[in-house]
Amino acid sequence: QQQVKQSPQSLIVQKGGISIINCAYENTAFDYFPWYQQFPGKGPALLIAIRPDVSEKKEGRFTISFNKSAKQFSLHIMDSQPGDSATYFCAASRVETSGSRLTFGEGTQLTVNP
Amino acid sequence: EAQVTQNPRYLITVTGKKLTVTCSQNMNHEYMSWYRQDPGLGLRQIYYSMNVEVTDKGDVPEGYKVSRKEKRNFPLILESPSPNQTSLYFCASRYGTSSSPLHFGNGTRLTVT
Repeated sequence: QQQVKQSPQSLIVQKGGISIINCAYENTAFDYFPWYQQFPGKGPALLIAIRPDVSEKKEGRFTISFNKSAKQFSLHIMDSQPGDSATYFCAASRVETSGSRLTFGEGTQLTVNP
Repeated sequence: EAQVTQNPRYLITVTGKKLTVTCSQNMNHEYMSWYRQDPGLGLRQIYYSMNVEVTDKGDVPEGYKVSRKEKRNFPLILESPSPNQTSLYFCASRYGTSSSPLHFGNGTRLTVT
């Protein structure tokens, strides 16, 4: 059972455009929602994360929007650059449980054309 | 340099031949975990460890074993590999707090023929 559903599976954007990746979760106990970025041949690395007490978090060109009532959150990449081309994973977990497992979405392969 | 080191990076083996993928971290992290990455399925957790001598099953533990005898090492053992275990494997570690970022190794691509 996939508790975190991610879309689209792949995304092609022109340089300077906005990339949007969406995730939906089922478990209302989740209270920590990170995004990981993975370049070819490398392991994923934390990009940005949000807790459900805020509806938006911005770090540079990357923004997470969070909708608790809809159980959805999304990653927006403004002014997308070719260097942003990577696979992006959303994830969710429960912070209170120290052994809490991070449940990942299926991943989105982003290509930014020059 | 703070890192998670996996070895080997690539491994081709035959069905039934026992193998071990090593993982070591130098950040004194309490938590370590193994994931497999398959197209369209994302990252699925195999096993995790909260600390030395403490391990637990993840979402897809069948066919795998782990051990945590030292804090820095967390090897993944496939005692009788099968073709459906062909995948890209990642080891990761973090501090004990669940909101601490996971640090991943660079992966081990395993092919079982």
